[in-house]
Amino acid sequence: GAGVSQTPSNKVTEKGKYVELRCDPISGHTALYWYRQSLGQGPEFLIYFQGTGAADDSGLPNDRFFAVRPEGSVSTLKIQRTERGDSAVYLCASSFGGGSEETQYFGPGTRLLVL
Amino acid sequence: GNSVTQMEGPVTLSEEAFLTINCTYTATGYPSLFWYVQYPGEGLQLLLKATKADDKGSNKGFEATYRKETTSFHLEKGSVQVSDSAVYFCALSDHQAGTALIFGKGTTLSVSS
Repeated sequence: GAGVSQTPSNKVTEKGKYVELRCDPISGHTALYWYRQSLGQGPEFLIYFQGTGAADDSGLPNDRFFAVRPEGSVSTLKIQRTERGDSAVYLCASSFGGGSEETQYFGPGTRLLVL
Repeated sequence: GNSVTQMEGPVTLSEEAFLTINCTYTATGYPSLFWYVQYPGEGLQLLLKATKADDKGSNKGFEATYRKETTSFHLEKGSVQVSDSAVYFCALSDHQAGTALIFGKGTTLSVSS
């Protein structure tokens, strides 16, 4: 069956520009997570959706970062006024119900480079 | 706060050698513990997990036991193969602190024939 998909796979932008990253979770999964992975580091949590609502956005680094999941399926991570420090791989994951014991299934990631 | 510490790599082994990658954690509640693996050019995928103390997770010849007394979840394999070369991440999820995964920094394993 289809896994988690993310588009684009790569994004190059200039400092100060706006970018949108898309995540399509596994069908039927109510929980969706965004993480950011810098080179040589483990993924770091950004935001968690349960259905359409953001249940935990404590990992968003500042108010330039925003995410939505309007219909409880596809999610978009939005970054305003990008900075060079935003360069990283952005990962999306989904799980069936969002329980702490559940497996999270990861997408291939979007590699963002801010010049 | 919750955290995961895993041994730094890279770890370089010959085929058929024994592998241990150490992982310890700090958690306020009773976390679930995971090992994820990232093969070259591929995305993160679950290798194994354990959801309560003394549970053993296993998959593809890898094993890890949830040790509450030592707050550890060390990954072991008796005989590694070249195809095991990858980056391994230890992670926890603690319902009391939200269900997001908290990852270690990753350990790169390189196996030569």
